[in-house]
Amino acid sequence: SYVLTQPPSVSVAPGQTARITCGGKNIGGKSVHWCQQKPGQAPTLVVHDDNDRPSGIPERFSGSNSGNTATLSISRVEAGDEADYYCQVWDSSSDHVVFGGGTKLTVL
Amino acid sequence: EEQLVESGGGLVQPGGSVRLSCAASGFTFSNFWMHWVRQAPGKGLVWVSRIGRDGSETNYADFVKGRFTISRDNAKNTLSLQMNSLSLEDTAIYYCARVRGAITTYYFDLWGQGKLVTVSA
Repeated sequence: SYVLTQPPSVSVAPGQTARITCGGKNIGGKSVHWCQQKPGQAPTLVVHDDNDRPSGIPERFSGSNSGNTATLSISRVEAGDEADYYCQVWDSSSDHVVFGGGTKLTVL
Repeated sequence: EEQLVESGGGLVQPGGSVRLSCAASGFTFSNFWMHWVRQAPGKGLVWVSRIGRDGSETNYADFVKGRFTISRDNAKNTLSLQMNSLSLEDTAIYYCARVRGAITTYYFDLWGQGKLVTVSA
């Protein structure tokens, strides 16, 4: 089955850019989506189809996807961005949704 | 306002059964594929199951196949998950979620608040 690999944690100072990676075999050929989950809350979508933002999501959130790595970038990081972030794809070979293991973003 | 609200769950003994429901409102429920996703305490998101718009197509993660059954009632705007033969490893918050996009670009754009199922003796 398809596997997505994320770093367990990423730390960044306020105002800097956070980059969270999501590795998968030839992931550049898939559409990658990202959700944010704050403690005690349900996930919310922040980026879909590699680099599209739902309405209401700040332009500070962006994505890229090429080769074996997709990346979620959060510019001008704020304390309120502290959360767990998950990448997600559809695995057509198994007809299953696949999530990455999640990355905890800490704002220093 | 578009909303998904789960109900059911709670404490169940190993080997027991429980049914989760998810009430949809604020959108045309029958136009969307629906999914269940779970999250064990302190762990990540794991996909469980999906169902097509008219309920005729379903898929399951391997670890629940044969034990869980997903269904929907479009007249009542309700999604359900019947969970049988539960084990300790099924303890988790279960989320219902709506998807958008073509099948190869599925993404979850609306989530319920989640419902905790605890399997314990």
